[in-house]
Amino acid sequence: DIQMTQSPSTLSASVGDRVTITCRASQSLSRWLAWYQQKPGKAPQLLISMASNLESGVPSRFSGSGSGTEFTLTISSLQPDDFSTYYCQQYNSYPWTFGQGTKVEI
Amino acid sequence: QITLKESGPTVVKPTQTLTLTCAFSGFSLGSSGLGVGWIRQPPGKALEWLAVIYWNDAEYYSPSLKTRLSITKDTSKNQVVLTMTNMDPVDTATYYCIQKGSGRALAYWGQGTLVTVSS
Repeated sequence: DIQMTQSPSTLSASVGDRVTITCRASQSLSRWLAWYQQKPGKAPQLLISMASNLESGVPSRFSGSGSGTEFTLTISSLQPDDFSTYYCQQYNSYPWTFGQGTKVEI
Repeated sequence: QITLKESGPTVVKPTQTLTLTCAFSGFSLGSSGLGVGWIRQPPGKALEWLAVIYWNDAEYYSPSLKTRLSITKDTSKNQVVLTMTNMDPVDTATYYCIQKGSGRALAYWGQGTLVTVSS
């Protein structure tokens, strides 16, 4: 299985901050990496696919980069609605695996 | 508009078999490249992929749960069914149904259904 390691597990930030979350894979994914945002009691929402492709309707303050084994999700200017938990997921091969999540809190 | 909705028991007893149904609309599992699968999330924990079935009947399972899982589809009814045998309290989780598009990540999720395993 491909192991996905996210860091940090928790991130304390303020509105307007630039925030970066890292996801490392135990083997190369090429660019088959997605990022999701999850709010309490809700299903995850896809933000970014193929490492850097912003999904339709997702604010442009979100961006993704990386390839191979190291990837980042950046929020350029944190907004109140962005305080959530974020997950990375590899879909390069089965079994699909997720990172353990990063909680972005005030 | 693509929607998915999970249904099934909210409580099962240890050792029982769980059967969950995903009813979907807005697409057909007869369409090339498409798949429907399941992901679960124990309370306060991370997401865990379980299984997926594709338009061409290909099935893939989590290796750690493979012996307990079965996924089937009814294309005419737009439904996918997941069965998990020998349920244990550690299987308590919200179970999500997802759509997998060809070459795509998981853009469509059901609302999730919480299953509690308790005697």
